[in-house]
Amino acid sequence: DGGITQSPKYLFRKEGQNVTLSCEQNLNHDAMYWYRQDPGQGLRLIYYSQIVNDFQKGDIAEGYSVSREKKESFPLTVTSAQKNPTAFYLCASSGVGQPQHFGDGTRLSIL
Amino acid sequence: AQKITQTQPGMFVQEKEAVTLDCTYDTSDQSYGLFWYKQPSSGEMIFLIYQGSYDEQNATEGRYSLNFQKARKSANLVISASQLGDSAMYFCAMREGLPTGANNLFFGTGTRLTVIP
Repeated sequence: DGGITQSPKYLFRKEGQNVTLSCEQNLNHDAMYWYRQDPGQGLRLIYYSQIVNDFQKGDIAEGYSVSREKKESFPLTVTSAQKNPTAFYLCASSGVGQPQHFGDGTRLSIL
Repeated sequence: AQKITQTQPGMFVQEKEAVTLDCTYDTSDQSYGLFWYKQPSSGEMIFLIYQGSYDEQNATEGRYSLNFQKARKSANLVISASQLGDSAMYFCAMREGLPTGANNLFFGTGTRLTVIP
């Protein structure tokens, strides 16, 4: 089945540690996105990519980094510079002019 | 200013009845798109319905319809014949500008809908 796979479902980070969240899609979409969701809040855009080897900062990019080496993959690294990383992270992809389709999310917590 | 405002933190509806979830938006663009997503307790975001700013007819998808009032800048979601499985968070979102390669969305804070048997 075509879709977006995020892994892991749950992730724990120690202080000072970088962690990487995986996002893979087999929908042949050019555009991919990372969002952060805090309790009782909507989604906020962290980074997006329109095409391989290109990505742009969203509204809350500080403390995060991404790469887009393959069309299918858009991993997100939460660095130690992100002081409040506990949140639910959602990855999405879209074709031109199409609605975004989302993965099941990764819940990140601090140990 | 918030680009998307959802003023109803929570709503209750009796099973089989219709419910309207409110959404107002703020943009100076002439071209934009409005989306509704459903988020069950499991967390995934499910696309429900889309309305383009130039669409003259209100969008419908099965039991979902979008009541688009451009002059009021509102895009309310109407769910007819509510089912227990409709209990979830519902988010309104907006894309500003023409649809391009990457369509960044602005999301509201959501409305939690509970369907009562």
